[in-house]
Amino acid sequence: GQQVMQIPQYQHVQEGEDFTTYCNSSTTLSNIQWYKQRPGGHPVFLIQLVKSGEVKKQKRLTFQFGEAKKNSSLHITATQTTDVGTYFCAEGRSNYQLIWGAGTKLIIKP
Amino acid sequence: SAVISQKPSRDICQRGTSLTIQCQVDSQVTMMFWYRQQPGQSLTLIATANQGSEATYESGFVIDKFPISRPNLTFSTLTVSNMSPEDSSIYLCSVAVRVWNEQFFGPGTRLTVL
Repeated sequence: GQQVMQIPQYQHVQEGEDFTTYCNSSTTLSNIQWYKQRPGGHPVFLIQLVKSGEVKKQKRLTFQFGEAKKNSSLHITATQTTDVGTYFCAEGRSNYQLIWGAGTKLIIKP
Repeated sequence: SAVISQKPSRDICQRGTSLTIQCQVDSQVTMMFWYRQQPGQSLTLIATANQGSEATYESGFVIDKFPISRPNLTFSTLTVSNMSPEDSSIYLCSVAVRVWNEQFFGPGTRLTVL
């Protein structure tokens, strides 16, 4: 069925360390979107990638779309406490629906 | 973008009762969606709310349990009927303005069924 696999489920990091979450699919993705959900909050759109090999940056966040459009990653450099939350990838479909990954929860160790 | 409000923000209900959740958007949108999210889990799509026609339900969700209305392009309701403790969850509405593009989410309704 339609699936976007996302790993890891959790990542514990010390503040200042880097964080990466990965999404992959067995089929070519039309596009990949990334969302952040803060604890107790709702998903908020971060970015969309459409082109093969595309790389986009937002301050300390780097988003990549694989050359084959079957995988994507989100990398955060030097994490801060404000980065805490769950990061979801999702594929946008022609029927307006999103196919969601399982999410990666970023936990900052005290 | 779109600004979405949901009511109520949270509720505690008795089993066997029903709760209607409202979703209001600040602009006309093509598609509205209703999701359920269990703690620590991803989002599960319940249905797509179509203006002027019946909602389209995903596998595992039925109209008798989750009736949806979409009377116009800015408003939708989801009713959780004959509730049981298994219905305890966060219910989110979202909107899509353009195909292939992002969705915007309401703040969610946290439902607890006793």
